[in-house]
Amino acid sequence: QQQVKQSPQSLIVQKGGISIINCAYENTAFDYFPWYQQFPGKGPALLIAIRPDVSEKKEGRFTISFNKSAKQFSLHIMDSQPGDSATYFCAACRTNDYKLSFGAGTTVTVRA
Amino acid sequence: DGGITQSPKYLFRKEGQNVTLSCEQNLNHDAMYWYRQDPGQGLRLIYYSQIVNDFQKGDIAEGYSVSREKKESFPLTVTSAQKNPTAFYLCASSITWGRYEQYFGPGTRLTVT
Repeated sequence: QQQVKQSPQSLIVQKGGISIINCAYENTAFDYFPWYQQFPGKGPALLIAIRPDVSEKKEGRFTISFNKSAKQFSLHIMDSQPGDSATYFCAACRTNDYKLSFGAGTTVTVRA
Repeated sequence: DGGITQSPKYLFRKEGQNVTLSCEQNLNHDAMYWYRQDPGQGLRLIYYSQIVNDFQKGDIAEGYSVSREKKESFPLTVTSAQKNPTAFYLCASSITWGRYEQYFGPGTRLTVT
């Protein structure tokens, strides 16, 4: 079964708006939470990652928020641009395992 | 220019045939991985290799085989035993086993009819 649940499956946002993607996990042993961005026909690329000792991490227009007690984390894309249109995957991993468990993906479409 | 190459980009095979997907990296990474991507299901781990001459089964290894005879190469064979082989296959690598960051190749789309 999927260890990381991701929602929504897809979203449409206007240029300049905020895109929010949510992920939830059950395994409390997970200690690394990356987000990957994938354009059609390409491999995923690491976008940003967070560890559970930090509640928020920001890189440019991309922010991860992490809620350890709720076992949830989310990606916020601020000031969304048409070039952000892609599929985004959350993932989780634990020490001594190092195998990534991926969410099902969210396709983001930014309308100009 | 360092990176991961996968060839070919598109591959077509008849049912019942084995097919080998290529993955080469010049990043000098020790660990390599194979994933399968299906619509709406995210990425699922097929096999991984922590170091040359070693590999382990992932979550969905049935019907697949790999080898790791060279550090830079990790080919995946999709055998006729794989019941549903049509998918997008992604190869990835990380500096060492124990480093979380994985870098992906461009993928191979396999269609079996």
